[in-house]
Amino acid sequence: AQTVTQSQPEMSVQEAETVTLSCTYDTSESDYYLFWYKQPPSRQMILVIRQEAYKQQNATENRFSVNFQKAAKSFSLKISDSQLGDAAMYFCAYSRYGGATNKLIFGTGTLLAVQP
Amino acid sequence: EAGVTQFPSHSVIEKGQTVTLRCDPISGHDNLYWYRRVMGKEIKFLLHFVKESKQDESGMPNNRFLAERTGGTYSTLKVQPAELEDSGVYFCASSRNTGNRETQYFGPGTRLLVL
Repeated sequence: AQTVTQSQPEMSVQEAETVTLSCTYDTSESDYYLFWYKQPPSRQMILVIRQEAYKQQNATENRFSVNFQKAAKSFSLKISDSQLGDAAMYFCAYSRYGGATNKLIFGTGTLLAVQP
Repeated sequence: EAGVTQFPSHSVIEKGQTVTLRCDPISGHDNLYWYRRVMGKEIKFLLHFVKESKQDESGMPNNRFLAERTGGTYSTLKVQPAELEDSGVYFCASSRNTGNRETQYFGPGTRLLVL
């Protein structure tokens, strides 16, 4: 069975600085998707970034980028130039490729605080 | 377009009572997922509908949980009778059927507390 592990329950970063959130996963599949979702306080969870396992190039979305290490089964999220609005719970998630269902398998989340 | 909506936002019930949660997906989204997060733990998959059919219900914890999606539009998740361990946040997500590039859009969740 696939599992996702986020070992940092809480992180803190100064505004304008860079922070990296860690995520590791376990799977026997060779093709899959990895995601970072963000849930701001009292708001809906939204997709931040997606990585296809067959792509070697790391995904980027503006200030958000990932470091995908397939052999190490590691998928960290880097937030550059942190802003107050980045404060949220961040969830790492995994999804199989080509299955009948694209259900997401989540980690326990990392609560990110941004200090002004 | 309107996002995924869930009702109620909060529910407090006593052990043994029945609660029904509702999810309205984004219009035109065939896929509807239910997830649950118990306090401090990971978000866990419960089940997946494609239109009105249950595609995968492997995450449903037991037969006290019943999910329906009549007509392939909104979905309900009924817990009967509720137990203390059912407390948590229940999320609904929907997506278009675009194969492997689908993006799941989440609702705000229903916070359920069973006393």
